[in-house]
Amino acid sequence: DVVLTQTPVSLLISLGGQASISCRSSQSLVHSNGNTYLHWYLQKPGQSPQLLIYQVSNRFSGIPDRFSGSGSGTDFTLKISRVEPEDLGVYYCLQRTHNPLTFGSGTKLEIK
Amino acid sequence: EVKLLESGGGLVQPGGSLRLSCAASGFTFTDFYMSWIRQPPGKAPEWLGVIRNKANGYTTEYNPSVKGRFTISRDNTQNILYLQMNTLRAEDTAIYYCARQQLFDYWGQGVMVTVSS
Repeated sequence: DVVLTQTPVSLLISLGGQASISCRSSQSLVHSNGNTYLHWYLQKPGQSPQLLIYQVSNRFSGIPDRFSGSGSGTDFTLKISRVEPEDLGVYYCLQRTHNPLTFGSGTKLEIK
Repeated sequence: EVKLLESGGGLVQPGGSLRLSCAASGFTFTDFYMSWIRQPPGKAPEWLGVIRNKANGYTTEYNPSVKGRFTISRDNTQNILYLQMNTLRAEDTAIYYCARQQLFDYWGQGVMVTVSS
C-alpha cells in the first residue's frame, strides 16, 4: 500500500499567520493517465472531513484562496495563509492514484 | 443540495454481522462511484471500498484489509448505498462514513459501530 507521511504532526499557529503541511508518498502519485490524484481534507472537531484541494492544486468550490496546494511526484504541500479560527482541526492528504486508496496520518492545526 | 445519511450502526458482538445504509439525495445517484470509509476514534480515515457507477457496471473494489468480510452494494431505485459487514472484530470499531468518490467531495455525518462483548 502507498504510505503517506504527513509532517508536522501538529502545528500551533497565530491568527493571521501561515501554516505549511507536507505530505510525502512512498510511491509516485502520477497516474498512468498523467493525472496526480492527491487531495487535501480538513476535519473540524466532531465533523466529517471536508474537501479543500483536489488533484494537488485545485481548490474545491467555496474554499477561500487562503488555501493552496502544490507539489508533484511524491512530495506535496498544503499552505494556509492568514489563518483564521475556523481553520482549526486535523488536515489529511489522500491519494487515489493507487489501490487501495490511502490517507495520511493527519496534521492537527491549533490556533494560538 | 447533496445529502448523504448513514444509518444502521450500533453495538455488535465479535463474530457478528451488521449492515449499514447510506441514503443519498440531491444528485443523480447512478452517475457516481460511492465509497465507504471508516475512522477509528482518534485515528486517520481508512478507505474500505468503492462501488462504481452505471457507466462502469456497478463493479466493486475493496481494501484488502476487509476484502472477503465486507460487501458494498447499492439500490439504484431507492438511491441507497449499503455496507454488509460480517465476522466483525474489535478492530472494526470505528465511525463509518459513506462518501461520493472520486473527489470525496461529499460525506455523510458518519455512524458509530462498536464491536465488543
